[in-house]
Amino acid sequence: NAGVMQNPRHLVRRRGQEARLRCSPMKGHSHVYWYRQLPEEGLKFMVYLQKENIIDESGMPKERFSAEFPKEGPSILRIQQVVRGDSAAYFCASSPSRGNNNQPQHFGDGTRLSIL
Amino acid sequence: AQKVTQAQTEISVVEKEDVTLDCVYETRDTTYYLFWYKQPPSGELVFLIRRNSFDEQNEISGRYSWNFQKSTSSFNFTITASQVVDSAVYFCALTTEGGKGVEKLTFGTGTRLTIIP
Repeated sequence: NAGVMQNPRHLVRRRGQEARLRCSPMKGHSHVYWYRQLPEEGLKFMVYLQKENIIDESGMPKERFSAEFPKEGPSILRIQQVVRGDSAAYFCASSPSRGNNNQPQHFGDGTRLSIL
Repeated sequence: AQKVTQAQTEISVVEKEDVTLDCVYETRDTTYYLFWYKQPPSGELVFLIRRNSFDEQNEISGRYSWNFQKSTSSFNFTITASQVVDSAVYFCALTTEGGKGVEKLTFGTGTRLTIIP
């Protein structure tokens, strides 16, 4: 009965490289949310996806960031040409269905991204 | 727009003392949900409680209790007889039934709780 799985747990990249963060939702969950936690701050919503659809990307930076949730496989948060300011913990959460507030969002353990 | 304020940045108490973490929220929606999460030093987020806006009954779970008051827009969290394992950052969060059915959470900035042995 696995929870939300994120990998890698830690990721180190040099400035200008690409970072790919993966999130597998809980079994039976079809909705994925990505959040970013900058050092010493709370979590900020980035993007909400269903399978093959981006529903709300109002929290995503306009450039270099993209997210997908294909029909098969995990959701991917992709950061191109990373900069030092991208260093943060990135959390993924999943929920079973749209508009269902009877279930809390379950979070993965996060990916800690460090940019050298 | 929603907002969650956790005015206490850091709190330290001696083990076995009671401690209350404050959370004040703002929203124009009449239906909303409030959460508390714990983030221990290992970094993961641990769900503690979810409460909807129509249920103002206080809740107790072991040493944890929550006081929800709509009149003051507060959802405070009390730990009784604190233990060292309670040391963590605690986040209060809010979500509403948005137009797209998106349950994105708005988080407070967190309260770092340190329990001194």
